[in-house]
Amino acid sequence: AAGVIQSPRHLIKEKRETATLKCYPIPRHDTVYWYQQGPGQDPQFLISFYEKMQSDKGSIPDRFSAQQFSDYHSELNMSSLELGDSALYFCASSLRGRGGVGTEAFFGQGTRLTVV
Amino acid sequence: AQSVTQLDSHVSVSEGTPVLLRCNYSSSYSPSLFWYVQHPNKGLQLLLKYTSAATLVKGINGFEAEFKKSETSFHLTKPSAHMSDAAEYFCVVSDRAPAGNTPLVFGKGTRLSVIA
Repeated sequence: AAGVIQSPRHLIKEKRETATLKCYPIPRHDTVYWYQQGPGQDPQFLISFYEKMQSDKGSIPDRFSAQQFSDYHSELNMSSLELGDSALYFCASSLRGRGGVGTEAFFGQGTRLTVV
Repeated sequence: AQSVTQLDSHVSVSEGTPVLLRCNYSSSYSPSLFWYVQHPNKGLQLLLKYTSAATLVKGINGFEAEFKKSETSFHLTKPSAHMSDAAEYFCVVSDRAPAGNTPLVFGKGTRLSVIA
């Protein structure tokens, strides 16, 4: 079965550079989430999209932006990179579920960003 | 808003003995609850989920969890630990709000060590 695809798997950038992470959700899933997991930390919610519109916003820095495209893939754009941005970035997709119906999120393998 | 508290940051057990990882949650609506496992430098794998059906949930690799609304708990158990169970475990909650499920909120994680 198709899973959530993230690219690249690894990325090394210098301080003040920009980075773009890509996420391809499971077909027919309508919601995409982005999470950041620092070393030894739990995943922190950054932002989510439902049907290509931003739906929830978490602890995403102003230097970061994201969008979801017409083919449902999503990109996380990170500018003015700082050393503290080094982390594992996960994308997840799900069916949003309404009326009290619970659904699970499926995670990609993550992109490991190292800022040097 | 929803939140999760994992009561132990580190649990150590001997191989072949039972495992208990504790999790308490809070939610504004009806919760969906999940346990994810993360092996070193790996992605997040879903162990099991509770989304309003049976309160005793069985997952992969012999793990199970019981949803107890009166105690707001969702503890993870396994009768007999295996060396391969050593990993980081995250308890996760999402609210089943009328307008749609809220983003997943992760606990701080419990590191499980298994001693031979």
